[in-house]
Amino acid sequence: NAGVMQNPRHLVRRRGQEARLRCSPMKGHSHVYWYRQLPEEGLKFMVYLQKENIIDESGMPKERFSAEFPKEGPSILRIQQVVRGDSAAYFCASSPRLGTEQYFGPGTRLTVT
Amino acid sequence: TQLLEQSPQFLSIQEGENLTVYCNSSSVFSSLQWYRQEPGEGPVLLVTVVTGGEVKKLKRLTFQFGDARKDSSLHITAAQPGDTGLYLCAGGPNFGNEKLTFGTGTRLTIIP
Repeated sequence: NAGVMQNPRHLVRRRGQEARLRCSPMKGHSHVYWYRQLPEEGLKFMVYLQKENIIDESGMPKERFSAEFPKEGPSILRIQQVVRGDSAAYFCASSPRLGTEQYFGPGTRLTVT
Repeated sequence: TQLLEQSPQFLSIQEGENLTVYCNSSSVFSSLQWYRQEPGEGPVLLVTVVTGGEVKKLKRLTFQFGDARKDSSLHITAAQPGDTGLYLCAGGPNFGNEKLTFGTGTRLTIIP
């Protein structure tokens, strides 16, 4: 059973470009979570999605960031007009149902130049 | 805002020694997880504790959840170089709130 998949593993963008980060949850998992780990900081919750629904986006910056989890295909975290402060490791996690453990992917390391 | 403080922040010990790291909060959590993260990788789940006072063992690692479900500890016996990594505690899901609140982390180095 494959784990949580994320791609790309590394992404370099110039300021002002768009970044798209993809996450495929574990088989049988319908709950997806995105976390961000800034340099020298801990993991911070961004958004929680179920298929086709955003359940909790309380940790997501109000501007430039969006997330989706379509009926078919991976979850996407999209960052528009990236700035240097967006440079971080972005992790996706999935769980099979509410109130259960979350399993993390290997992360996407975004570098904004 | 729920906060989890981990101590010590850094720990470097010789192979074969024992150690304990702590995770403390002023908030009650319905469950608490411990993860280990290696450089360039995502956190890997080690254990989940859900009952106040619960103790779980994973080989040489012993995890305890405080009676009031506000704190936890991780004890490693006879540490090995393979135990080196960043240890993270995470509280939640918590009473219907699905997000995990991560601790500040303990960076452990085992010297051969």
